Amino acid sequence: DSGVTQTPKHLITATGQRVTLRCSPRSGDLSVYWYQQSLDQGLQFLIHYYNGEERAKGNILERFSAQQFPDLHSELNLSSLELGDSALYFCASSVGGGLTDTQYFGPGTRLTVL
Amino acid sequence: AQSVSQHNHHVILSEAASLELGCNYSYGGTVNLFWYVQYPGQHLQLLLKYFSGDPLVKGIKGFEAEFIKSKFSFNLRKPSVQWSDTAEYFCAVRVGTGGFKTIFGAGTRLFVKA
Repeated sequence: DSGVTQTPKHLITATGQRVTLRCSPRSGDLSVYWYQQSLDQGLQFLIHYYNGEERAKGNILERFSAQQFPDLHSELNLSSLELGDSALYFCASSVGGGLTDTQYFGPGTRLTVL
Repeated sequence: AQSVSQHNHHVILSEAASLELGCNYSYGGTVNLFWYVQYPGQHLQLLLKYFSGDPLVKGIKGFEAEFIKSKFSFNLRKPSVQWSDTAEYFCAVRVGTGGFKTIFGAGTRLFVKA
């Protein structure tokens, strides 16, 4: 157990819908990172938040957005869902926001878009 | 664009065999290198990391990796695998200044026969 929690574990929805994935970092960690793992794209970095502020963006679609709240939990919002958005979404957390920080990964949320 | 290549997508070994998983990256600047492991049904865990110094890095569970700058490589090794090493292994590069991103390879699925 990494100490990072994600809810829900599984989510099944239809195309065009909107969903929210939640991540609670390890106690004391200020950074949250979101990743998408799909069969065709592999594991891709989406976005990084540090202490409530966006730090870096990766291959995140405009239909996706994220935020980190004052209690440091983070939410990833996916809208206008398409079949290709079906994937495993991981979040990770680290103490700081530095290049050398160890990231601890959560168990993931498996999203299925029908 | 930065990329990470893992040469073997699937590897099958017998217990006690030696393991070497290849990883090459494409990036001309300073890199921070990682190997992660994902056991069946579990979250990603850090095996080892390299930032600077001795290019031979030792990680958990008897794994080690060697950074060869001239070859842009960071290969993972283990002298004698066990059945419990059956998992998927990901090489990753972290790049950037200020905001950074972690780029993962496609992963190598290792199956160890008992």
